[in-house]
Amino acid sequence: EAQVTQNPRYLITVTGKKLTVTCSQNMNHEYMSWYRQDPGLGLRQIYYSMNVEVTDKGDVPEGYKVSRKEKRNFPLILESPSPNQTSLYFCASSPEGQLPLYEQYFGPGTRLTVT
Amino acid sequence: GENVEQHPSTLSVQEGDSAVIKCTYSDSASNYFPWYKQELGKGPQLIIDIRSNVGEKKDQRIAVTLNKTAKHFSLHITETQPEDSAVYFCAASIEAGGSYIPTFGRGTSLIVHP
Repeated sequence: EAQVTQNPRYLITVTGKKLTVTCSQNMNHEYMSWYRQDPGLGLRQIYYSMNVEVTDKGDVPEGYKVSRKEKRNFPLILESPSPNQTSLYFCASSPEGQLPLYEQYFGPGTRLTVT
Repeated sequence: GENVEQHPSTLSVQEGDSAVIKCTYSDSASNYFPWYKQELGKGPQLIIDIRSNVGEKKDQRIAVTLNKTAKHFSLHITETQPEDSAVYFCAASIEAGGSYIPTFGRGTSLIVHP
């Protein structure tokens, strides 16, 4: 089944404790991205990657890191999480890395709570 | 940067009625406008999209219209059903030096009463 998977789905952690949220897609998509979703704010892009070893900042990259060493994986790293990073996170992938763009496929989401 | 406004934030209709959600965008260079449906506990899923060279697109009970001059686009759902209940997001995307950073609206919670 074609899908985007994220792990973990739920995570409660403490301020300053490094964490990684994994994202993997099995559709051989070039384009991958991370979003955070907060109540009343919609979806905001954190980072995106047009291809392996190519990443760039989205609208809200502060406090986050990403890497794209393999085409299928795009982990999101929080080196020192803070309470304002408590949010619902979505990974997405798209079959085309250049414009015009095609449908983005979203993962099921990771709910992160930082205390 | 791009700014997308979406209205209403909540929309309640009776089964069988039509529902309309409207979005406006600020940057005239935006050229791709997708609509996503997000059901409870799931990620957003694309339901329809439109590009700036088209004024209207329809897919069964769902249609999207785009007015480039006024910089607004709308989602129309006819003959609504309870399973249409979800949060709907519009987005506008713009090419910036080969990058892709979509800007999403804040979402509309659609409730369809049986």
